Amino acid sequence: DGGITQSPKYLFRKEGQNVTLSCEQNLNHDAMYWYRQDPGQGLRLIYYSQIVNDFQKGDIAEGYSVSREKKESFPLTVTSAQKNPTAFYLCASTYPGGYNEQFFGPGTRLTVL
Amino acid sequence: GESVGLHLPTLSVQEGDNSIINCAYSNSASDYFIWYKQESGKGPQFIIDIRSNMDKRQGQRVTVLLNKTVKHLSLQIAATQPGDSAVYFCAENRGNRDDKIIFGKGTRLHILP
Repeated sequence: DGGITQSPKYLFRKEGQNVTLSCEQNLNHDAMYWYRQDPGQGLRLIYYSQIVNDFQKGDIAEGYSVSREKKESFPLTVTSAQKNPTAFYLCASTYPGGYNEQFFGPGTRLTVL
Repeated sequence: GESVGLHLPTLSVQEGDNSIINCAYSNSASDYFIWYKQESGKGPQFIIDIRSNMDKRQGQRVTVLLNKTVKHLSLQIAATQPGDSAVYFCAENRGNRDDKIIFGKGTRLHILP
């Protein structure tokens, strides 16, 4: 089955620790995205990548880092510099060029203890 | 409809009635619009999309209406069912071809028995 997966579903982190969230897709999509969602809120764009080895900051990139070494994978690292990291993180992918909906993964809920 | 406030607006609808969820978008350059459904603890799912060269598009039990004059988008769900209970987001692509999709804050649809 084609799809986009995120792991783990739940993640707990101590303050001051970096943590990496996984996102994998087998849809052959070129573009991938990371969003943050806080309770009762919409989606805010953290980083996005339109092609391998290239990525751009979104609206709230501070305290986060990404890599795009493979087309299928777009991991997100939440660094200790992110002051309020507890949130629901969503990964998405799409064909580039506009007029294409984004396909979302199931999300990872990160809680900082 | 969509709100810039901290709390999700809620629409309560009797089971079997039609639901209408509204969304205002801000950029007249947007030329592609999408509705997503997000169930609790899950990633958003694509429902229906529409391009700016259309003013209406129908899917299975859903209709999207686009009024470019007043920059308004609506999602109509016919014969609302308990499974329709979710948060609904509208999203717009601002036509600048950098593949970023901007999401609204969302509306929670609550189905009354």
